Amino acid sequence: GDSVTQTEGLVTLTEGLPVMLNCTYQSTYSPFLFWYVQHLNEAPKLLLKSFTDNKRPEHQGFHATLHKSSSSFHLQKSSAQLSDSALYYCALSAMQQGTGSKLSFGKGAKLTVSP
Amino acid sequence: DAGVTQTPRHEVAEKGQTIILKCEPVSGHNDLFWYRQTKIQGLELLSYFRSKSLMEDGGAFKDRFKAEMLNSSFSTLKIQPTEPKDSAVYLCASSWDRGSQNTLYFGAGTRLSVL
Repeated sequence: GDSVTQTEGLVTLTEGLPVMLNCTYQSTYSPFLFWYVQHLNEAPKLLLKSFTDNKRPEHQGFHATLHKSSSSFHLQKSSAQLSDSALYYCALSAMQQGTGSKLSFGKGAKLTVSP
Repeated sequence: DAGVTQTPRHEVAEKGQTIILKCEPVSGHNDLFWYRQTKIQGLELLSYFRSKSLMEDGGAFKDRFKAEMLNSSFSTLKIQPTEPKDSAVYLCASSWDRGSQNTLYFGAGTRLSVL
């Protein structure tokens, strides 16, 4: 079956330092990968998703590269901001009929950025 | 456009009670999901509907959790009877069924506390 692994449960950074949140996956089919972000007391929302043409998705300074050879889709940002403090979920959608928009989520990584 | 609406935002129940959570998906979406969110397990899929048909119900949650979708604009999640371990945030999400790249739109969730 499909699965997503996020190894860091809690990440604490100082403002201005680079961010990297790990995401690896297992899938029988060639999947699409997503990052969702959830700020405190808000709904999770899409941060970025992989493309079919190997372009690197970017949003709000965050980017992620899908590496099929290593089954990874790590989230990166060059300089953390206080407003980046949130819960980040990596998710996978398998390209198979019948699954529609169903996602398999990792357990999440809570990022805390301090001054 | 209205997003996903969940009511109530907070629910407190005594052990053994029956509670019903409500969700209104984004208008026109035909995929609807119920997730349970906890710090330990992250996002766990409870139920998945496509065009009002139940596609999947999370096996471990079958006995006391029942989701229904009587029309395309309204879904309920019933927990009967509630147990203290059910304390969590329950999220509803919807999407267009256009394949695996679809974005899920989440509601703000219902925070359930079972005493």
